[in-house]
Amino acid sequence: QKEVEQNSGPLSVPEGAIASLNCTYSDRGSQSFFWYRQYSGKSPELIMSIYSNGDKEDGRFTAQLNKASQYVSLLIRDSQPSDSATYLCAVNQAGTALIFGKGTTLSVSS
Amino acid sequence: DADVTQTPRNRITKTGKRIMLECSQTKGHDRMYWYRQDPGLGLRLIYYSFDVKDINKGEISDGYSVSRQAQAKFSLSLESAIPNQTALYFCATSEMGQSYNEQFFGPGTRLTVL
Repeated sequence: QKEVEQNSGPLSVPEGAIASLNCTYSDRGSQSFFWYRQYSGKSPELIMSIYSNGDKEDGRFTAQLNKASQYVSLLIRDSQPSDSATYLCAVNQAGTALIFGKGTTLSVSS
Repeated sequence: DADVTQTPRNRITKTGKRIMLECSQTKGHDRMYWYRQDPGLGLRLIYYSFDVKDINKGEISDGYSVSRQAQAKFSLSLESAIPNQTALYFCATSEMGQSYNEQFFGPGTRLTVL
């Protein structure tokens, strides 16, 4: 059974702080990794994709991938109340369907 | 206009009724997916289709069927709805030939089965 694990949270950070969200996956053959943001009652929105080991930065977001440890993370710098949402980690193997974690709820207090 | 649309957005129905959820996309993507989301269980794949003639079962296909009417349209049917099919349903699309498989989601359909 291929699995993607996330801490459900809630993760609470003050405004302006760095939020760190983590995800582990079981399938070593996984090739691509995604972070989605989902506001309550809304659809998942793709915010970061990462395909190779290391860091990938996009604005306030940085995705980090370590395939040897089967670990992917998302850092959100200068967290804002509007970042309060559930963050879903998703993993893809060989271009088939994605496997999603259950999500981590982030709460940013002003 | 939205790239991926779903109809209806909300539906309340009774046990035993047949229900169809529809998904249309203007992204030009070949691959389409149906997921359901339940509190505490995350997103689970029901069916997916890589082109009009290709339909594949996902993790939880029992009680569901699908139809790929065209590249842009993918429908999900519940032949005889039951209360534990109450959930939020999402359609998603991705590009053919892209091994990375970035998926883009529609706005969702909230289905309640009484």
